[in-house]
Amino acid sequence: SQTIHQWPATLVQPVGSPLSLECTVEGTSNPNLYWYRQAAGRGLQLLFYSVGIGQISSEVPQNLSASRPQDRQFILSSKKLLLSDSGFYLCAWSQMNTEAFFGQGTRLTVV
Amino acid sequence: EDQVTQSPEALRLQEGESSSLNCSYTVSGLRGLFWYRQDPGKGPEFLFTLYSAGEEKEKERLKATLTKKESFLHITAPKPEDSATYLCAVRRGGSNYKLTFGKGTLLTVNP
Repeated sequence: SQTIHQWPATLVQPVGSPLSLECTVEGTSNPNLYWYRQAAGRGLQLLFYSVGIGQISSEVPQNLSASRPQDRQFILSSKKLLLSDSGFYLCAWSQMNTEAFFGQGTRLTVV
Repeated sequence: EDQVTQSPEALRLQEGESSSLNCSYTVSGLRGLFWYRQDPGKGPEFLFTLYSAGEEKEKERLKATLTKKESFLHITAPKPEDSATYLCAVRRGGSNYKLTFGKGTLLTVNP
């Protein structure tokens, strides 16, 4: 069966510090991978998606970047965090046009 | 631009009191409507996928239906453990990646 791992579960970082969130998927090959952010009172906002290794598309211009160094690994990064980067970050995977499956999320607080 | 509107924003029910959640959508060439359940501090959990008007899916006390403009999530005789935020999302034709989410309906079932 397929599983998705996302870590860490919670993170408190000072403004201006770097960020690296990692997500890995097991039990499937060549998945589509996604990073979403969920802010209080707002829906899930798609940040990045990837259809293959090294292929990254950005949906929203921002202070973040994403990379896919391996088929089932997706990384969300920032060089310098802003207060506005605080939120609940979710990694997800899907196969083509089927449903997406989400990780358990990372609660990021920038102080 | 794809739009998903969920109503009501919050719904409080007594245990056993059946009701429905609404998801209205505007999307060019629907290629799937998805329902998720999200518990506080957790990632969304996949419930149903609907692809065409008239389609219905059931799981325990939940039943999802789809028309050309909206979807309903019917909850029959709910229990306190059904309390959660229910999210609706759509995928448009021509893409195999992006899910556009509504803001969700917070359901509380009182014993």
